[in-house]
Amino acid sequence: GGIITQTPKFLIGQEGQKLTLKCQQNFNHDTMYWYRQDSGKGLRLIYYSITENDLQKGDLSEGYDASREKKSSFSLTVTSAQKNEMAVFLCASSIKNQDTQYFGPGTRLLVL
Amino acid sequence: AQSVTQPDARVTVSEGASLQLRCKYSYSGTPYLFWYVQYPRQGLQLLLKYYSGDPVVQGVNGFEAEFIKSNSSFHLRKASVHWSDSAVYFCAVSGITGNTGKLIFGLGTTLQVQP
Repeated sequence: GGIITQTPKFLIGQEGQKLTLKCQQNFNHDTMYWYRQDSGKGLRLIYYSITENDLQKGDLSEGYDASREKKSSFSLTVTSAQKNEMAVFLCASSIKNQDTQYFGPGTRLLVL
Repeated sequence: AQSVTQPDARVTVSEGASLQLRCKYSYSGTPYLFWYVQYPRQGLQLLLKYYSGDPVVQGVNGFEAEFIKSNSSFHLRKASVHWSDSAVYFCAVSGITGNTGKLIFGLGTTLQVQP
């Protein structure tokens, strides 16, 4: 078995601030993903990475940067937080592109 | 366009009753189909998945789903629900034809089990 750890669990930011979310997995999975979950809008893919140093844009990449410096970690940066923004960011990983994705517990973002 | 529709935003059932959560998908290639569950303040957990073969797949905690290709559906079922099944359920589709690993999720169905 394995586990996905996301830090921090809660993140409160200010409008315009750059915010970084981190994700670690010990599954030894190749592919990692970042999703944004908004109430009533399901999950939307922000970025994914099929291997170390690879980055692929998802449907919601504008306003975000990502970094995959190691196979086990995948970071997401909100480049400029929007006022009153509230969402959950979920990290996931899988063995290969089309396989089952395993999810972390999420980081809850609130921008004041 | 690829999409997943879960027509019921919220379903309420009594404990011990049977359950069906509906899912319809639109996908041009060969779909991989998934059901995930999300308990409060947690990430998503896989309930079951369908790749090929027997169209009825068994999952964890007594859940099953049936792939009906002619209807583009993958409904989730359980014979007798427990209060602990209260959660949000997501249907998702992925594919093997020109796909690069993206899961397309439905908006989710919130299940409330009443005692």
